[in-house]
Amino acid sequence: DADVTQTPRNRITKTGKRIMLECSQTKGHDRMYWYRQDPGLGLRLIYYSFDVKDINKGEISDGYSVSRQAQAKFSLSLESAIPNQTALYFCATSDLTLAGVQETQYFGPGTRLLVL
Amino acid sequence: QKEVEQDPGPLSVPEGAIVSLNCTYSNSAFQYFMWYRQYSRKGPELLMYTYSSGNKEDGRFTAQVDKSSKYISLFIRDSQPSDSATYLCAMSANGGKLIFGQGTELSVKP
Repeated sequence: DADVTQTPRNRITKTGKRIMLECSQTKGHDRMYWYRQDPGLGLRLIYYSFDVKDINKGEISDGYSVSRQAQAKFSLSLESAIPNQTALYFCATSDLTLAGVQETQYFGPGTRLLVL
Repeated sequence: QKEVEQDPGPLSVPEGAIVSLNCTYSNSAFQYFMWYRQYSRKGPELLMYTYSSGNKEDGRFTAQVDKSSKYISLFIRDSQPSDSATYLCAMSANGGKLIFGQGTELSVKP
């Protein structure tokens, strides 16, 4: 079974609709992230959470909100979807080593979102 | 100016060629440098991880970091069609968030 799972894998929605993307992990990591990927722009950070009670805005948080329901679950919501939120969305997890150095991030398979 | 710049390509090479992928960056606090590989319709996965300056080799892959020039490279020797993917550089300061390049799309033709 995959360590980081995302649901749904594909979603088509209409402008103005509320939509939630979900992420679950079995790696036991404290840190979780949401990114979006657009052609030519790479991965851009939307929100991140270093533990259940810690939520931080990333580079492009406007129009998005998140919820960290448990260590293993981190959800991304689009309250009122708009067409320029059409993108590939990735969840990722990581954890610090004992030396305080950030380990690598492990990515889920992605959610393709199309907003009409 | 972006903190991390990467030529998006696409880059097309024949099988067996040596491939050079590069990123430049502006933040001198970056210490941890990574290369991720992303196959079509998949999430990125870590390929190479280097701390500070120097070289690191893993099979056909070599990662180089030149902190004085703020420049990192990934070399692929004897490239194979299975290496066709998008390669993203990423970097961070100590314990900080990862900053990604735009990704370079590589195609290795048989």
